[in-house]
Amino acid sequence: GNSVTQMEGPVTLSEEAFLTINCTYTATGYPSLFWYVQYPGEGLQLLLKATKADDKGSNKGFEATYRKETTSFHLEKGSVQVSDSAVYFCALSVPAGKSTFGDGTTLTVKP
Amino acid sequence: DAGVTQSPTHLIKTRGQQVTLRCSPKSGHDTVSWYQQALGQGPQFIFQYYEEEERQRGNFPDRFSGHQFPNYSSELNVNALLLGDSALYLCASSFAATGAGNTIYFGEGSWLTVV
Repeated sequence: GNSVTQMEGPVTLSEEAFLTINCTYTATGYPSLFWYVQYPGEGLQLLLKATKADDKGSNKGFEATYRKETTSFHLEKGSVQVSDSAVYFCALSVPAGKSTFGDGTTLTVKP
Repeated sequence: DAGVTQSPTHLIKTRGQQVTLRCSPKSGHDTVSWYQQALGQGPQFIFQYYEEEERQRGNFPDRFSGHQFPNYSSELNVNALLLGDSALYLCASSFAATGAGNTIYFGEGSWLTVV
């Protein structure tokens, strides 16, 4: 079956540090890949997505590139802010819309 | 344009009881999926409804059932509640015609505590 593996957290960074959260996946066919963010006590918000190999998704300074050869979709941001503190989920979706999520990575950014 | 709305936001039930959670999809969406998110874990797919029928189901027992109405809204029912059913239940909606790349929108969730 399909699966998503994220780097284990928690991750603690100082403001303006570089962020990488690793994500690898296993899937049959050609999935779309997503990063979601969840702030405390809230639901999931889509952060970015990529629908085919070599696509780069980007939003709010975050980027991730769909790497089919390494089955990866690592999340990066050049300079994190305190407001980026949240839980980040990598996910894949196959036709008919079912999504498979990783276990999430908690990011804490300190001033 | 309202997004995905869920109710209730929080509820407490006793073991053995039954619960019904409700979801209204984003305007224009015809597909509703339900997920269970236990504390510290990622969301787990329960099932998906399209055209008032269950189209896919995850690895959840028959105690979990659902329904989709003609206006695309949906209910999740859980019978014979167990302590382990305590979780955040997320509803997500999408538009089926756009396929796997479509954006899935999540509601804020319903926090269920079973005591």
